Amino acid sequence: QVQLVQSGAEVRRPGASVKISCKASGYTFIDYYIHWVRQAPGQGLEWMGMINPKGGGSTTYAQKFQGRVTVTRETSTATVYMDVGSLTSGDTAVYYCARPKSGYANDPFDIWGPGTLVTVSS
Amino acid sequence: AIQLTQSPSSLSASVGDRVTITCRASQGIGTALAWYQHKPGKAPQLLIFDASTLQGGVSSRFRGSGVSGSASGTDFRLTITSLQPEDFASYYCQQFHESPYTFGQGTKLEIK
Repeated sequence: QVQLVQSGAEVRRPGASVKISCKASGYTFIDYYIHWVRQAPGQGLEWMGMINPKGGGSTTYAQKFQGRVTVTRETSTATVYMDVGSLTSGDTAVYYCARPKSGYANDPFDIWGPGTLVTVSS
Repeated sequence: AIQLTQSPSSLSASVGDRVTITCRASQGIGTALAWYQHKPGKAPQLLIFDASTLQGGVSSRFRGSGVSGSASGTDFRLTITSLQPEDFASYYCQQFHESPYTFGQGTKLEIK
């Protein structure tokens, strides 16, 4: 079945970086964008950015995350990675990868990963 | 960026009630709106897309609509009828008119 499997929980110090993964299975990896969404404790959902796994792997980020977040993909393993740098306590959150219903970037997300908890603490 | 404002931010209701959550966009988005249900410790679940289309496998007690008369798609509603215990969760709208694909701030539905 179609699924996204994410890497496990991470703990980092402020100022460090973290790289989390999202492995896709059950569908043709390059045919669907992958988006990243996070939820900080007690807060709502926040869209961070996306990658088109096809071709050169073009990316789009929310302005808030430009320059600090990098999303990449490895087509051989059907895996998307998100690297978040210069971490602060405000980055403590559950990070989700999600796949749209269709091959279009701007389609709602019907497949989600289980989430990866990132804790930033000194 | 397009802002989505949900109301109310929290809501208490009883099993069997009917509730409505609204989502207002800062500019017209046509019907490019989705609704999700989110429970603690789980991934969000898509309920409604294209403002009013029920996602496969989702109960027909969930209904999405655009508010008639709203200019070019700015006002939307999620209505849940005959509330069941499993419906108590948080609900989010999300727009897909343009990137960044922003979410509303969420509505927490609690048992009265």
